[in-house]
Amino acid sequence: AQKVTQAQTEISVVEKEDVTLDCVYETRDTTYYLFWYKQPPSGELVFLIRRNSFDEQNEISGRYSWNFQKSTSSFNFTITASQVVDSAVYFCALSEERSGAGSYQLTFGKGTKLSVIP
Amino acid sequence: DTEVTQTPKHLVMGMTNKKSLKCEQHMGHRAMYWYKQKAKKPPELMFVYSYEKLSINESVPSRFSPECPNSSLLNLHLHALQPEDSALYLCASSQVRDANYGYTFGSGTRLTVV
Repeated sequence: AQKVTQAQTEISVVEKEDVTLDCVYETRDTTYYLFWYKQPPSGELVFLIRRNSFDEQNEISGRYSWNFQKSTSSFNFTITASQVVDSAVYFCALSEERSGAGSYQLTFGKGTKLSVIP
Repeated sequence: DTEVTQTPKHLVMGMTNKKSLKCEQHMGHRAMYWYKQKAKKPPELMFVYSYEKLSINESVPSRFSPECPNSSLLNLHLHALQPEDSALYLCASSQVRDANYGYTFGSGTRLTVV
């Protein structure tokens, strides 16, 4: 069975600090997809990034960067120069194709609540 | 159009009421999903429709009844719910057989059962 572990339940940082959110996953699939979502207090899940298992390049998008390491089954997320608007719950998720269904289930980690203090 | 639209955004219902949640997408996605998210928990899968056919039911109680009338619409009919069913209900859609172009969530319906 697939599993996603986000060991950090809550993190608080002062504005402008850098912060890294950890994600470790388990899967027996050779092809899989990893996702990060942001969930602000309003509730919607905001898509941040999707990475497939064959693409180990790190990615940077503005203040956000992601470090995918297949050797350690980790997909960590760093916010540089954090801002108050970054305060939210962040979920790491792993997709699994449901056999015969042609559809995908996302298995989520428990989430990390990030609070950025002004 | 790259959105999944859910209505209503908020719903309060009594335990004897019947109500429906609606979800709509126009991205041509042929897989649609219902997830349930309790407070301070991650979303959990309830149902999956693939090509308008129910393909997965994660042992959800029969008081939740999904329906996919066409490739753009997904409904969740609610009847005789319990207070513990209060949660955020999220709809999502994706390409079938290629999650690389998926997985879009709606903003959710926050349901309170009184």
